[in-house]
Amino acid sequence: DAKTTQPTSMDCAEGRAANLPCNHSTISGNEYVYWYRQIHSQGPQYIIHGLKNNETNEMASLIITEDRKSSTLILPHATLRDTAVYYCIVSTGTASKLTFGTGTRLQVTL
Amino acid sequence: GAVVSQHPSRVICKSGTSVKIECRSLDFQATTMFWYRQFPKQSLMLMATSNEGSKATYEQGVEKDKFLINHASLTLSTLTVTSAHPEDSSFYICSARDSRVEVAYNEQFFGPGTRLTVL
Repeated sequence: DAKTTQPTSMDCAEGRAANLPCNHSTISGNEYVYWYRQIHSQGPQYIIHGLKNNETNEMASLIITEDRKSSTLILPHATLRDTAVYYCIVSTGTASKLTFGTGTRLQVTL
Repeated sequence: GAVVSQHPSRVICKSGTSVKIECRSLDFQATTMFWYRQFPKQSLMLMATSNEGSKATYEQGVEKDKFLINHASLTLSTLTVTSAHPEDSSFYICSARDSRVEVAYNEQFFGPGTRLTVL
């Protein structure tokens, strides 16, 4: 699986958009970009995934660059409950294991 | 989304004893489950892939005789930490994929984790 690079930490004011970047310059054509988050002392939670096109769901939006070498997770209106470690993972499809990097620790403040 | 449970949520045991952790997919079937370990302030590290009806696949450096995995049904995988020592104290997390879903991507559903403390 391709390696990802994320900033160690970020801060965001409550109500503002949180934009979390991820570099995956060695991504292969059949690899998806997944985002998970882990709130303290809980299991990771799936957020969103994408292959080529930008994606949006009730939790977030995922913007993938045209060359697919980087992506950005957008939480449109961050709340205090969004404080967590966010993991960007690149992986192929069925039954493949997920390799977690160090992630970005997002702190949402008042 | 699909729900994965783990039992127990936390356990304290004496050094040398064995501890069994259960991972269940509550509303879906999972031919493949994954076991992770997470030390404080560190990321999740995959320990093994649990396959229903066959042997688990262990990651490099994980002792298969120490961390016994059994995936006897489509909804249950167990991890047994044998002869536990203080250095085995960690947060153990399982995940599962829905076998019935015909998708090309790899969405996994994670359990809430089990905190093991070995005295």
